[in-house]
Amino acid sequence: DTAVSQTPKYLVTQMGNDKSIKCEQNLGHDTMYWYKQDSKKFLKIMFSYNNKELIINETVPNRFSPKSPDKAHLNLHINSLELGDSAVYFCASTTGKAGELFFGEGSRLTVL
Amino acid sequence: AQKVTQAQTEISVVEKEDVTLDCVYETRDTTYYLFWYKQPPSGELVFLIRRNSFDEQNEISGRYSWNFQKSTSSFNFTITASQVVDSAVYFCALMPGGSYIPTFGRGTSLIVHP
Repeated sequence: DTAVSQTPKYLVTQMGNDKSIKCEQNLGHDTMYWYKQDSKKFLKIMFSYNNKELIINETVPNRFSPKSPDKAHLNLHINSLELGDSAVYFCASTTGKAGELFFGEGSRLTVL
Repeated sequence: AQKVTQAQTEISVVEKEDVTLDCVYETRDTTYYLFWYKQPPSGELVFLIRRNSFDEQNEISGRYSWNFQKSTSSFNFTITASQVVDSAVYFCALMPGGSYIPTFGRGTSLIVHP
């Protein structure tokens, strides 16, 4: 069983479109994250979600919005996609403070 | 503010060489946690180790070892007798004790040639 799963794994779309990436974890964790990894491999935190508390990285454009229907899911919705949004997006979860992160396999988004 | 510096962008070695990946961190917290993650060419991120700020004992796991030194704010990672399968990007990360959010370094790409 995959602990943290993301769909889709690959996403190719046109500028201006809206898209979503879904994430589910079956580990019973309370905290989930979205990270963006750029072409230089830099991992940038976008959001973390813990017990309904959303912490947003203030540098993330408001075109990005996380949605958590329940504790096991944290989806990422992106409006009006831009070329610079092309990256690999990783979902992760953890047991709590100071816990190691369990990452999904990543979703490679390509904006044309 | 938290900061993690991995000064080595890329390291290239030949199989069986020993290699050390450096990690230097900055934090004002007295309680914090340090991590190493591995990202092989397949792309997934794999947890390797976690240390808390009160435990400076070095750790060894097979060919991997970690040297944590608070005096120099470093948490270095050594691979002994490297193998081609060790080729990956390695990330060091820091998490304050009261936080849910780790700060990652920019990663060190390790290439092990046969």
